[in-house]
Amino acid sequence: SAVISQKPSRDICQRGTSLTIQCQVDSQVTMMFWYRQQPGQSLTLIATANQGSEATYESGFVIDKFPISRPNLTFSTLTVSNMSPEDSSIYLCSVLDRGLGEAFFGQGTRLTVV
Amino acid sequence: ILNVEQSPQSLHVQEGDSTNFTCSFPSSNFYALHWYRWETAKSPEALFVMTLNGDEKKKGRISATLNTKEGYSYLYIKGSQPEDSATYLCAPIRSNYQLIWGAGTKLIIKP
Repeated sequence: SAVISQKPSRDICQRGTSLTIQCQVDSQVTMMFWYRQQPGQSLTLIATANQGSEATYESGFVIDKFPISRPNLTFSTLTVSNMSPEDSSIYLCSVLDRGLGEAFFGQGTRLTVV
Repeated sequence: ILNVEQSPQSLHVQEGDSTNFTCSFPSSNFYALHWYRWETAKSPEALFVMTLNGDEKKKGRISATLNTKEGYSYLYIKGSQPEDSATYLCAPIRSNYQLIWGAGTKLIIKP
């Protein structure tokens, strides 16, 4: 299992600004995943954060909008840049237990852009 | 791309009643299926990981079945309690460990 500390838990931001979300894992993991869930929609994978290399982004997500850092095997950040109201969402980081593929999540960041 | 569908989208159930909901997924390249419970202001929490066709798992009043040939899984809650109120997510996983998430079923238990 893994315990993930994610912060902030929520924020209200002005459009045009940026917010950085942090996740700290209590064990070393190769891959960390960043998701968002917009109202009424499923969890959508934004990118996979790999230590020592650039993040891998899913279709529809770009590095300029969602830059990711992965300085070591226990920590990652996701920045939501130049925010607009459409970025209002819950953002989650996650790691996988390789054995069963069970996912462990941070507490989530509820972002509201006004 | 896998298309995962969960139904219904939301569900209101009287306390004490039993209920069930569905997760449908394409059966090709199936590796495992996860069910998660996501309570407001908390992290999603794993309920079951199911791998074999015909699997049945049970945890207290909650159980799940899996049919990999036809591509569906049912989640059952017996004697619903207020603490069961949450969004229930299913996610089939492919052999490359990629999870594909359904939109969830939001369950509200009415006292």
